[in-house]
Amino acid sequence: DAKTTQPNSMESNEEEPVHLPCNHSTISGTDYIHWYRQLPSQGPEYVIHGLTSNVNNRMASLAIAEDRKSSTLILHRATLRDAAVYYCILPTSGNTGKLIFGQGTTLQVKP
Amino acid sequence: DAMVIQNPRYQVTQFGKPVTLSCSQTLNHNVMYWYQQKSSQAPKLLFHYYDKDFNNEADTPDNFQSRRPNTSFCFLDIRSPGLGDAAMYLCATSRGSWGNQPQHFGDGTRLSIL
Repeated sequence: DAKTTQPNSMESNEEEPVHLPCNHSTISGTDYIHWYRQLPSQGPEYVIHGLTSNVNNRMASLAIAEDRKSSTLILHRATLRDAAVYYCILPTSGNTGKLIFGQGTTLQVKP
Repeated sequence: DAMVIQNPRYQVTQFGKPVTLSCSQTLNHNVMYWYQQKSSQAPKLLFHYYDKDFNNEADTPDNFQSRRPNTSFCFLDIRSPGLGDAAMYLCATSRGSWGNQPQHFGDGTRLSIL
C-alpha cells in the first residue's frame, strides 16, 4: 500500500492561506488521494479527495502534482476553527477503501 | 444533523467486564468501520463490514468483536477489557469500499477502564 509523508506540524496566521504538503512517491495509477482533518475531541472529518485533476469544494482545494507523487491541501483563509490534525491518506490498494492513518500534520492557527 | 451517531460519548467499565459500544447511521451506507484511537495517536482500523460481510484486520485482538444486525446499526464488543484498551473508538461509514468513497465519522466513544 502506498505511504504518505507529511510534516509533523505547521503554523499559520488567521485569515492567511495555508498550504499543507503531502508526499506519496509510491502512489499507483488508481490510488485516490484523500484528506481528512480531526479537530480536538471530535472524529475525523472528510475534507476533499482527488485522482489526477485539481479539486475544489467549499472547505478547501486540492492541488495534485502532474506526476501524482505529491499533493497540497489549500485552505484559502485560515480561521481559528481550522486548527486540527490534517491527514493525507491513500485508501488501500485493490479499492477496499480502507484508510490507514499516518501521524498527519498538526496545524496551529494564530490570531 | 448527525449522520453517524455513537453512543455513549463516554463509557467507563471495569477491568475484565464486557462492554458494548454502539454506532448508528442515517446515510444508508453499505460499509461500516470501527477504529481505535489511543491518546496522541492516529486512528487505527479494527474491522469493517461490507453489508453483512465482516472483514477483520490481521492485528486486531480476539478480544474485539463486532455485530451488524442491520444496515443502520453496528456494535463493537470488547469481551474482557484490559487497561490497554482505554481509547477513543470511532465508527465510520461509506457508500462503498472503492477508493473514491469518502468516509463519514462519528464523534467517537471514549472508553475508560477502571
